[in-house]
Amino acid sequence: GNSVTQMEGPVTLSEEAFLTINCTYTATGYPSLFWYVQYPGEGLQLLLKATKADDKGSNKGFEATYRKETTSFHLEKGSVQVSDSAVYFCASAPSGTYKYIFGTGTRLKVLA
Amino acid sequence: EAEVAQSPRYKITEKSQAVAFWCDPISGHATLYWYRQILGQGPELLVQFQDESVVDDSQLPKDRFSAERLKGVDSTLKIQPAELGDSAMYLCASNRDRGSADTQYFGPGTRLTVL
Repeated sequence: GNSVTQMEGPVTLSEEAFLTINCTYTATGYPSLFWYVQYPGEGLQLLLKATKADDKGSNKGFEATYRKETTSFHLEKGSVQVSDSAVYFCASAPSGTYKYIFGTGTRLKVLA
Repeated sequence: EAEVAQSPRYKITEKSQAVAFWCDPISGHATLYWYRQILGQGPELLVQFQDESVVDDSQLPKDRFSAERLKGVDSTLKIQPAELGDSAMYLCASNRDRGSADTQYFGPGTRLTVL
């Protein structure tokens, strides 16, 4: 079936460190892929998305590349800030459906 | 920037009581979703509306949960009676159409605690 697997957190980094949060998916066909961020007490906000293989989504210094060969959509940022502390969710929407399938989320904590 | 509105933000109730949550999607968004997010997990879809019609409620526990979107705009999710295991964040989202590439926009959520 369709699923999304994220690396378990929490991930604790110092400010200006490099961030990678791994995400892999299983799906039939070619799903659209998303990263959402959830700050404490808030709903989910779209961070970036990619809709086809080799697409790179980017926003606010975050990037993720749709890798069909490894069924991955890893989130990266070159230099994290304290304000990036949040929970990050990877999601897929299998082609031909409207259903988002979310990973379990990865909590990021950035220390000053 | 338009946002999805939800109320209340927090609700505490005792088990066996009835609770209701309200959602107002972004204007012009035909599709509305209700999700449940248990602490430490990702959101799971409960029900999806296209205008006023339910198009997927396969994961909605229909013995106690109900949802409606009478005029195809705002929506209400009800639980009666509430159980301890219903404690979670209830999120509403909307988008313009059902295409999988179309971004879903989420509201701030209602955090439910059942005592």
